[in-house]
Amino acid sequence: DAKTTQPPSMDCAEGRAANLPCNHSTISGNEYVYWYRQIHSQGPQYIIHGLKNNETNEMASLIITEDRKSSTLILPHATLRDTAVYYCIVSHLTDKLIFGTGTRLQVFP
Amino acid sequence: KAGVTQTPRYLIKTRGQQVTLSCSPISGHRSVSWYQQTPGQGLQFLFEYFSETQRNKGNFPGRFSGRQFSNSRSEMNVSTLELGDSALYLCASSPVLWGSPLHFGNGTRLTVT
Repeated sequence: DAKTTQPPSMDCAEGRAANLPCNHSTISGNEYVYWYRQIHSQGPQYIIHGLKNNETNEMASLIITEDRKSSTLILPHATLRDTAVYYCIVSHLTDKLIFGTGTRLQVFP
Repeated sequence: KAGVTQTPRYLIKTRGQQVTLSCSPISGHRSVSWYQQTPGQGLQFLFEYFSETQRNKGNFPGRFSGRQFSNSRSEMNVSTLELGDSALYLCASSPVLWGSPLHFGNGTRLTVT
């Protein structure tokens, strides 16, 4: 079973920041937080991952709380092409990824 | 660099038949994983291969099998197809077995009638 809880859906205006929350209260010390997204009719796409520290790449930022029980994926300037299902996954480096139901993000003009 | 290539893109089969799906990983990637995606169950892990050996297996019946070749290409086979096997089958590759993000193909959509 997935170890994360995400809201089923969210809306965001184009050009604004999209903040996608994820709860993972049972995360263990050596489990990473991964984010993937799946645009309709495509395979999932890796976005970012982190262990303890906040991470940033060209796609997004990942903010992990100090107790590591929750995290937020931030898309700084959402575009219509960011409309997708976003999956937050908690996993050891050596484990397979278990996908939950994700958050369906709708970016509107 | 070319992405993960899955063939065929669409497939229609009849109950009781068998099917083979193919996956070509990104060049240099040695690990290949397979996932099944259905509206009801979401994305579920099938199995993972590295260096031609199955390293991990999900909770699927023995009708689902796979293999990996020396060039890292992988195939999965489903025998005695059931209506419930209708799904999007996704293949993902990564350079190493652990610690590297997965790169997914766009899947093979299998319809069983």
